[in-house]
Amino acid sequence: KTQVEQSPQSLVVRQGENCVLQCNYSVTPDNHLRWFKQDTGKGLVSLTVLVHENDKTSNGRYSATLDKDAKHSTLHITATLLDDTATYICVVGDRGSALGRLHFGAGTQLIVIP
Amino acid sequence: EAAVTQSPRNKVTVTGGNVTLSCRQTNSHNYMYWYRQDTGHGLRLIHYSYGAGNLQIGDVPDGYKATRTTQEDFFLLLELASPSQTSLYFCASTGTGGAGEQYFGPGTRLTVL
Repeated sequence: KTQVEQSPQSLVVRQGENCVLQCNYSVTPDNHLRWFKQDTGKGLVSLTVLVHENDKTSNGRYSATLDKDAKHSTLHITATLLDDTATYICVVGDRGSALGRLHFGAGTQLIVIP
Repeated sequence: EAAVTQSPRNKVTVTGGNVTLSCRQTNSHNYMYWYRQDTGHGLRLIHYSYGAGNLQIGDVPDGYKATRTTQEDFFLLLELASPSQTSLYFCASTGTGGAGEQYFGPGTRLTVL
């Protein structure tokens, strides 16, 4: 059973527009949530990590929120660039140690067009 | 900058073939992981290791063996490859686990004909 659901599955935006990616999960316990960017055929690169209830983070044009009560996170990308074209993956860790497991969403494929 | 390398980057084999995927990390990390990524699925954990000589079974281990020979090197072995093992394989390492960041290699695309 999929424990991390991402929406939309894919998204096309014009360069300069903003977009919002969603992540809903049922993982318990939910120690932390991380957003990764994956360029086509490449490895995953961490964008941000959220740990606490109602956490908000910002990393340049990327910002993220976490609502642990609702088990929901959003990733906002502001003023998109062509280089933002990638798959964005939401990952929930169930413990704060190496004994924990990471639960991966299937990703949202973002395409930024000129 | 944490570094994880994988080889080969691409591999084609036939059903029943013997394949070894290699991963090396130069981060002095204790924990290393092998994942597979398939369309429509999140990354799925095959095997992982806490250190040289240690091996733990992941969520989708069937048909795979792994060996951690040193702190730096982690190998994934497919002794009788099947078409269902056609996938993109990622290796990752982390020093602290948990909210500690996992660093991913560039991936190996394996095709089993």
